Amino acid sequence: EVQLVESGGGLVQPGRSLRLSCTGSGFTFGDFLMTWVRQAPGMGLEWVGFIRSKSYGGTSEYAASVKGRFTISRDDSKSIAYLQMNSLNAEDTAIYSCFRGAFGDYWGQGTLVTVSS
Amino acid sequence: EIVLTQSPDFQSVTPKEKVTITCRASQSIGSSLHWYQHKPDQSPKLLINYASQSFSGVPSRFSGSGSGTDFTLTINTLEAEDAATYYCHQSSTLPYTFGQGTKLEIK
Repeated sequence: EVQLVESGGGLVQPGRSLRLSCTGSGFTFGDFLMTWVRQAPGMGLEWVGFIRSKSYGGTSEYAASVKGRFTISRDDSKSIAYLQMNSLNAEDTAIYSCFRGAFGDYWGQGTLVTVSS
Repeated sequence: EIVLTQSPDFQSVTPKEKVTITCRASQSIGSSLHWYQHKPDQSPKLLINYASQSFSGVPSRFSGSGSGTDFTLTINTLEAEDAATYYCHQSSTLPYTFGQGTKLEIK
């Protein structure tokens, strides 16, 4: 059974950093592009970015709203995709979720990030 | 950035009705358009990928159509459990984007 589990969320002060993890199981993690999305309170889904599989270079792409502040990486030996978030601000408060592939056939349950002093 | 505009934003419908949600892209995205159902406190569920391909296990009352800039999600014979917010999503052109969502209320 394919499963994705996000972790690492919490309360963080503006300007600080946080790293989220997306741990996959039930599939060959390294074969898949992994995507991060977020949903701010009362808002819709927002695409954050993705990381390609190593077979496709392992490179990442980002939304304009996070480019230069967020970094997506992966450790295929642990089946984990990371979202490193720096210079956080209140507008980054959201539930962060990962999904498999360029479109989400399987999603994690999400982890809440609250940016507040 | 490709903007996806869904209509309507909100619809209140009765069971057994037929529902049509549209998603218009600001430029052509071929068939790289996907539909999700999102219920509160749950993760979104893929309904349709590549405009018209039903994802495994999705009830047959859900169908998708369209290409280029205009897409449609149709729910035939609506059931009470279909109350949710529905999103379209394009994976044609970076940055990928989502529509703003359509909230479906069942009367």
